[in-house]
Amino acid sequence: KAGVTQTPRYLIKTRGQQVTLSCSPISGHRSVSWYQQTPGQGLQFLFEYFSETQRNKGNFPGRFSGRQFSNSRSEMNVSTLELGDSALYLCASSIDLQGVQFFGPGTRLTVL
Amino acid sequence: KQEVTQIPAALSVPEGENLVLNCSFTDSAIYNLQWFRQDPGKGLTSLLLIQSSQREQTSGRLNASLDKSSGRSTLYIAASQPGDSATYLCAVDSGYALNFGKGTSLLVTP
Repeated sequence: KAGVTQTPRYLIKTRGQQVTLSCSPISGHRSVSWYQQTPGQGLQFLFEYFSETQRNKGNFPGRFSGRQFSNSRSEMNVSTLELGDSALYLCASSIDLQGVQFFGPGTRLTVL
Repeated sequence: KQEVTQIPAALSVPEGENLVLNCSFTDSAIYNLQWFRQDPGKGLTSLLLIQSSQREQTSGRLNASLDKSSGRSTLYIAASQPGDSATYLCAVDSGYALNFGKGTSLLVTP
């Protein structure tokens, strides 16, 4: 069974641009969560989607948004990029809520 | 707000030693606790998940325990190997999101 895939793996953007990251969960998994990982703050929760509905959102500004499609694939979008948005963005899927979370390899975003 | 702390932040041991990583959390109202491993520049690999009603879980050389009332979990690694070198993260699911500790960076030297 294929694992969680994230595209692209690496991304370089400049301040003010916007970016879209994609996550394909493990087949059959309906829950997708997004996390931001930085050296200073560690792993911080961004959002959780279940059956196309956003269930929870972390403490991030409105520039961070996401969605989930009917096939459970998810995208997150960051608008008006700032230098501080440079991070590893990780996506995780689970078969249902409160289940084992399986993480993808992440997308490394660098904002110049 | 759930706060998760991991001690020590870094650990270096010779190959073959048994070791214990510690995780503490402030709110005992949890659904489960999960231990992950992260290799440099990579995603997270799930090692063990302990439901709130369980006391421990075992997988191979790994054993994780959970004491919900005291807000503590430990990850025991038996007979450590150089391939165990990685950062180990503890995450608590309180029903809203996974709350992660900052991790313990483990180095096992040959």
